This record gives sequence, C-alpha cells and structure tokens, in this order.
Amino acid sequence: QSELTQPPSVSAAPGQKVTISCSGSSSNIGNNYVSWYQLVPGTAPKLLIYENNKRPSGIPDRFSGSKSGTSATLGITGLQTGDEADYSCGTWDSSLSAVIFGGGTKLTVL
Amino acid sequence: DVQLVESGGGLVQPGRPLRLSCAASGFALEEYSMHWVRLVPGKGLQWVSGLSWNSGSIAYSDSVKGRFSISRDNAKNSLYLQMNSLRPEDTALYYCARATPPYSGWYNYDSWGLGTLVTVSS
Repeated sequence: QSELTQPPSVSAAPGQKVTISCSGSSSNIGNNYVSWYQLVPGTAPKLLIYENNKRPSGIPDRFSGSKSGTSATLGITGLQTGDEADYSCGTWDSSLSAVIFGGGTKLTVL
Repeated sequence: DVQLVESGGGLVQPGRPLRLSCAASGFALEEYSMHWVRLVPGKGLQWVSGLSWNSGSIAYSDSVKGRFSISRDNAKNSLYLQMNSLRPEDTALYYCARATPPYSGWYNYDSWGLGTLVTVSS
C-alpha cells in the first residue's frame, strides 16, 4: 500500500483532456514538492513535472501539474495514443524520512 | 547526453547477495545525489536508497535497511548497490536515478536508466 493514493486507471479519447490525482498528507504533499513521472515498459522513466508545476526542457505544455493542500494533480490535454503509459507521483515524506511514490495510474487513450 | 546504465541483475536464491552497478556518463557524477528506485510489478515505484553528492548523507527505505548498502566511485563514474540477505519481495526492476538540482536535489529525479531485473526465487 502506497502512502500516496492514485486512481488505478483513467481513460479518455484522443484529443481530450484527462487529470490524474495524487492524494497524500501533511507529512508529504502538504509540505513538500511533488514530481510526476511517465513510465513506459522498456524505456527509462521520464520526469514530466517537478516542483508541483514546472516542466523540464523538452516536455510539451500539454502536460501540467498543480497542488492544493495535500493533493496534487497531473493534467494532460490533447491526448495522443503515444501518451498511453503509467503515471506516478512522487515526493518526500518528512515523517518517514523517505522518498515515496503513488501506486501509479494507467492511462488508456481510447 | 546524460546516460545511466544499470547492470548486475539476475536470478538469485533467497538469502544470497547481489551487487548492482550503475555507469554514468554525460555529466559530472560528483555533483549529484544518486538513488536506487525499484519498480515492483503491481505495486509501482519504490524508493530504495539515496546517496548525497559528497556521500555525507545516506538513506535507506525501511524495507532494505540493514541489508542493502549504497556506494559510489566518482572516479569511475559509478554507483553501486550491494544487496544482502535477499528476499522474494525484493524482486523488481531496479533503476539508477539522478536527483536534481545538483548538490541540493534529493527526491526529484530527472534522469533514469533502463533498469536491471532482479529476481529472488529458489
């Protein structure tokens, strides 16, 4: 069981928008930055969002991040079939003194 | 380009040791904290261990504390994970990951390898 809670799966049609939630507590999301990663089998995980809402160089602005209280959200607009992947949030937990991740959300582009 | 290449995984019996290596290139390893993160089937990513840029800070998850040991050799541009007393629940794809920004980063990973698979089974 992960300390960060994500929905197991989400789906949407090509061109549409989807959001993925990540719920935590005051010891993690509430007081630390959140990152989001894209995992595709056979490839290296990719950093999509860091410090809650910043995009690394090369990540299209279709990807966005936000945080409110003890929850964070990843948004993806203009969905493409190439966006099908698992998405995971991550942060630091001050009580555990450990890096923690969500259980991952599988995105299906119908 | 930044590149991280893990090696050393394989099939190992419970209780046996295994040593993973991560070869880094394209950046100055000595400027970054480096971590091991594993992907457990059906359970997602799990942080395993982290080592600060100057080796002054070392941390482990509770699940591996006392059994795993992280180290680095900046002269060889390499990161290591010595895994002892392996258990079936350690079965996973193990990634080497670079934390950003340089020197101060700890839990934001901007570069990852492809991983090396560790299977613990009799």
